[in-house]
Amino acid sequence: EVQLQQSGPELRRPGSSVKLSCKASGYSITDYLMHWVKHRPEHGLEWIGWIDPEDGETKYAQKFQSKATLTADTSSNTAYMQLSSLTSEDTATYFCARGLPHYFDYWGQGVMVTVSS
Amino acid sequence: DVQMTQSPSYLAASPGESVSISCKASKSISNNLAWYQEKPGKANKLLIHSGSTLQSGTPSRFSGSGSGTDFTLTIRSLESEDFAVYYCQQYNEYPYTFGAGTKLELK
Repeated sequence: EVQLQQSGPELRRPGSSVKLSCKASGYSITDYLMHWVKHRPEHGLEWIGWIDPEDGETKYAQKFQSKATLTADTSSNTAYMQLSSLTSEDTATYFCARGLPHYFDYWGQGVMVTVSS
Repeated sequence: DVQMTQSPSYLAASPGESVSISCKASKSISNNLAWYQEKPGKANKLLIHSGSTLQSGTPSRFSGSGSGTDFTLTIRSLESEDFAVYYCQQYNEYPYTFGAGTKLELK
């Protein structure tokens, strides 16, 4: 059974960074792209980008180019997203999702990131 | 960016009824459109891709239609498990974009 297990909720100060994890089970992450999506209730869903864990190739939405960094560790079958220079605008729920390759057949449960002083 | 306009935002219906949700793209996206279902406490579920292709496991009461700029998700004979939030997503060009969502509520 395919599952994407995301790390727990995070509370960060403005200006700091956070690294979120997405551990895949039931398949090898090298076989599919991994996407990341941001969700804020007042802004809806926003696609952040994808990573091809097989070779590390990435593609970002322009607005997240300097905000997010996607990586993957094939040895642990885990994808990561680091968010830097956090502001209140980064307070959101973040999802990882397996790509087929450009729509998403499995999603993680989401992780809430709160940025507050 | 391709803007995806989803309507209605809220929809109240009863079990057994049929409903339709519209998703309009600001430019042609061919048939590169997916529909998702969001339910509390559950991972988002892919229902339909390529505009009208049911994902494996999607009940046949769901159907998708459209191409170009206008798309529709139809749910026939609503069941209690269908009350949820539905999103469309275009994957024709970067950045991929989503509709704002339709909350389907029990009347």
